[in-house]
Amino acid sequence: DAKTTQPNSMESNEEEPVHLPCNHSTISGTDYIHWYRQLPSQGPEYVIHGLTSNVNNRMASLAIAEDRKSSTLILHRATLRDAAVYYCMGDNYGQNFVFGPGTRLSVLP
Amino acid sequence: DAGVTQSPTHLIKTRGQQVTLRCSPKSGHDTVSWYQQALGQGPQFIFQYYEEEERQRGNFPDRFSGHQFPNYSSELNVNALLLGDSALYLCASSLATQEQYFGPGTRLTVT
Repeated sequence: DAKTTQPNSMESNEEEPVHLPCNHSTISGTDYIHWYRQLPSQGPEYVIHGLTSNVNNRMASLAIAEDRKSSTLILHRATLRDAAVYYCMGDNYGQNFVFGPGTRLSVLP
Repeated sequence: DAGVTQSPTHLIKTRGQQVTLRCSPKSGHDTVSWYQQALGQGPQFIFQYYEEEERQRGNFPDRFSGHQFPNYSSELNVNALLLGDSALYLCASSLATQEQYFGPGTRLTVT
């Protein structure tokens, strides 16, 4: 199982880029790296995932270290609606998802 | 298109009782996973169902059991409730191994 560590909290100014780090030192070669975010009183929401290469979608970018021991979720321009708890997780072929402790992102206007 | 729905929204039970939580997956999804989320913590994986079989299980005791029906909906059963079972129970659906879509959860309080 991929065990992950994340900073407890981070702060960003609105419309500035945000880099959210995650360490997953025990990740296996077949574990995908997923990122989800959770707003208050809601279930987690999928953000992005990848295996080895950097990934981009309409919400964010995912940068994966060459040794896959860490990854960074990049929000290019933070908005107030991006304030949430962000979780990284390891996924072994869609089974046995292991969430990290989560980073609470605050976005300042 | 309705997303993942869960019922009930809130539930209060007494220690030692049994509880059943229900989940309807997003249309077109065939895989359902259940998670337990204690206050202030990340979700913890309980188990996953695919083709009406439990495919994978996290580190939870046998008091936690589940079922998936032919229409892909699912139930989570917890027997002999303990105070520590109080949590938000999340259901997530997916199509095979693709990204998961989560429901709003069921808040279970055990007194």
